[in-house]
Amino acid sequence: AQKVTQAQTEISVVEKEDVTLDCVYETRDTTYYLFWYKQPPSGELVFLIRRNSFDEQNEISGRYSWNFQKSTSSFNFTITASQVVDSAVYFCALSEGGNAGNMLTFGGGTRLMVKP
Amino acid sequence: KAGVTQTPRYLIKTRGQQVTLSCSPISGHRSVSWYQQTPGQGLQFLFEYFSETQRNKGNFPGRFSGRQFSNSRSEMNVSTLELGDSALYLCASSAGRYNEQFFGPGTRLTVL
Repeated sequence: AQKVTQAQTEISVVEKEDVTLDCVYETRDTTYYLFWYKQPPSGELVFLIRRNSFDEQNEISGRYSWNFQKSTSSFNFTITASQVVDSAVYFCALSEGGNAGNMLTFGGGTRLMVKP
Repeated sequence: KAGVTQTPRYLIKTRGQQVTLSCSPISGHRSVSWYQQTPGQGLQFLFEYFSETQRNKGNFPGRFSGRQFSNSRSEMNVSTLELGDSALYLCASSAGRYNEQFFGPGTRLTVL
């Protein structure tokens, strides 16, 4: 069965520091999809990125970057020059191909606190 | 485009009652999924509907059920409420299989 582990439950940084959120996944499928979501205090999950298992290219979007490594089953997320508005809970998620469809398996989440 | 909407936003019920939650997906999205979020269990998948058919189901008891209408709007129902059903219930819509899902603001259910 699929599993997502976010070992860091809570991280606290000072504004402008870089921070990396770790995500390790387990799946037997060769086709799968990885996601990151942000949940601010308001509670709504905000989509950040989707990656499929055949695309190991790293991605950068502004201050955000993602490192996907199949060899270590990891999909880590880095925020460069963190800001107070980045404070939120971040979730990594996995969906498998085949009949699993849109069923997301989430990690436990990492609470990021950015202090001014 | 309007986002995913959920009603009501807050609900208080007592044990043994039943509750119905509603979700309107993003226009054009035919897949609607439901998730339960609790401090203890985290985010857990309940079920997914596509074109009025349940496509996937998570590991929840039969008290949890859902349906989808021809306009893609979805409802979920929880019967015989238990204290442990207190949670944030999130609905998500997607344009297709394996695509990113967009979440609504959630319905916070409290069972007393």
